[in-house]
Amino acid sequence: GENVEQHPSTLSVQEGDSAVIKCTYSDSASNYFPWYKQELGKRPQLIIDIRSNVGEKKDQRIAVTLNKTAKHFSLHITETQPEDSAVYFCGAETSGSRLTFGEGTQLTVNP
Amino acid sequence: GAGVSQTPSNKVTEKGKYVELRCDPISGHTALYWYRQSLGQGPEFLIYFQGTGAADDSGLPNDRFFAVRPEGSVSTLKIQRTERGDSAVYLCASSYDSRADTQYFGPGTRLTVL
Repeated sequence: GENVEQHPSTLSVQEGDSAVIKCTYSDSASNYFPWYKQELGKRPQLIIDIRSNVGEKKDQRIAVTLNKTAKHFSLHITETQPEDSAVYFCGAETSGSRLTFGEGTQLTVNP
Repeated sequence: GAGVSQTPSNKVTEKGKYVELRCDPISGHTALYWYRQSLGQGPEFLIYFQGTGAADDSGLPNDRFFAVRPEGSVSTLKIQRTERGDSAVYLCASSYDSRADTQYFGPGTRLTVL
């Protein structure tokens, strides 16, 4: 089955800096890659997603890039703010519609 | 509109007991998913419904776990003979359709088995 690896597990940045989180996946048939933000005790919330026919997608301060050949995708957050602090999960959609998630990255933005 | 809702928000039970966890998807969403999230980990897929039928139940850990969605809307996850290792947050998600469609998560049910 699909295996998703996410790095780093923790990331600490200064407010205003950029943050990058990387994920790799194993199933070349995966075609949908969402990123979720989860604050402590809250539900995961979708922040951006990308489909396999697109190489890059941007939404204000957030962007995602996908390299299908390398089976690698990344989340980029620019001009980080303290409210960006949370756990971020990448996902890859495999057979049918099941999402396989990475282990998560705890992002801390220091004011 | 209303998002995905789950009840109860917290459930404490004793080892060996039976529990039911309920999920109300977003109205009109045909696909419904159950995940389990342990502390410090990403959500782990359990089962996926398309309409009333379980399209993929390969994530259910064993036969103590069962889920139904009889009318294609509300779903119930049922756990028999609970074990301490079943303690986790059980998340439900729904999407308008399946296949590369956004999944919207509920707030989860925190299950604690003593």
